Amino acid sequence: QQPVQSPQAVILREGEDAVINCSSSKALYSVHWYRQKHGEAPVFLMILLKGGEQKGHEKISASFNEKKQQSSLYLTASQLSYSGTYFCGTIASGGGADGLTFGKGTHLIIQP
Amino acid sequence: EPEVTQTPSHQVTQMGQEVILRCVPISNHLYFYWYRQILGQKVEFLVSFYNNEISEKSEIFDDQFSVERPDGSNFTLKIRSTKLEDSAMYFCASSDFLQYEQYFGPGTRLTVT
Repeated sequence: QQPVQSPQAVILREGEDAVINCSSSKALYSVHWYRQKHGEAPVFLMILLKGGEQKGHEKISASFNEKKQQSSLYLTASQLSYSGTYFCGTIASGGGADGLTFGKGTHLIIQP
Repeated sequence: EPEVTQTPSHQVTQMGQEVILRCVPISNHLYFYWYRQILGQKVEFLVSFYNNEISEKSEIFDDQFSVERPDGSNFTLKIRSTKLEDSAMYFCASSDFLQYEQYFGPGTRLTVT
C-alpha cells in the first residue's frame, strides 16, 4: 500500500515555511524524501531510518515518528528553487524489500 | 559529483517492438533499480538488482520485462512486445547500501505508438 501524503498542494510566498506529511499503514524501515521538477528526475533530499539515523541535505529537515509510521518534511524560509513535487518513498520493515513505494506527491509552488 | 546516466533520453517505438533502455549506475554502487512514471502520476517501483540477480520485483514487472548487467558498468531494462500503456518515463537508480538512499538518473522517455 502506498503512503499517503498531505497536503496535495501548497502555494507559498518566498520566505514562508511549509510542512509536508507522509503516513503509512505499514510498519516502516525507512522514509525517503525526493523533490521532482517538471520533466526531471527525482532528486534525493533526505532518508530517515528506523532507530533515528538520518542523512540528507543540510538545508532540509525532517522527522520520522516510528510509532505512528509518519514522517514530515520541513521547508523553512522557502526559496523559488523549492518549487516542485515532493514525494515520500517508503520501505516496509521486516521483508528485506529495497524498492521504494512512493506516495502521490505534494505539489509546492513558491511565488515571489 | 558522480551521477547515474541513462540512454537514450527519448525512445519512440511501435507497439509490439522490443526496446532496451540503458543505465550506467554510480560506479561504486552495488544495488540497482528501475522505476517508471506515467505522465502526471507517481513514481512506481519495477525491480531491484543485486549481485547479478533480481532482488525484488513489483507486480508490474511481469514476463514482458527483463533486466541484465551485461558488463561491469551497464544495467539494462528490456521490454518485449511493447504496449501503448508502456509509454512512460523510466528511471534507473542506484544505491551503495541496501535500503539506503537511491540516486536517480535523468530518465528515458518511452513513447509507444
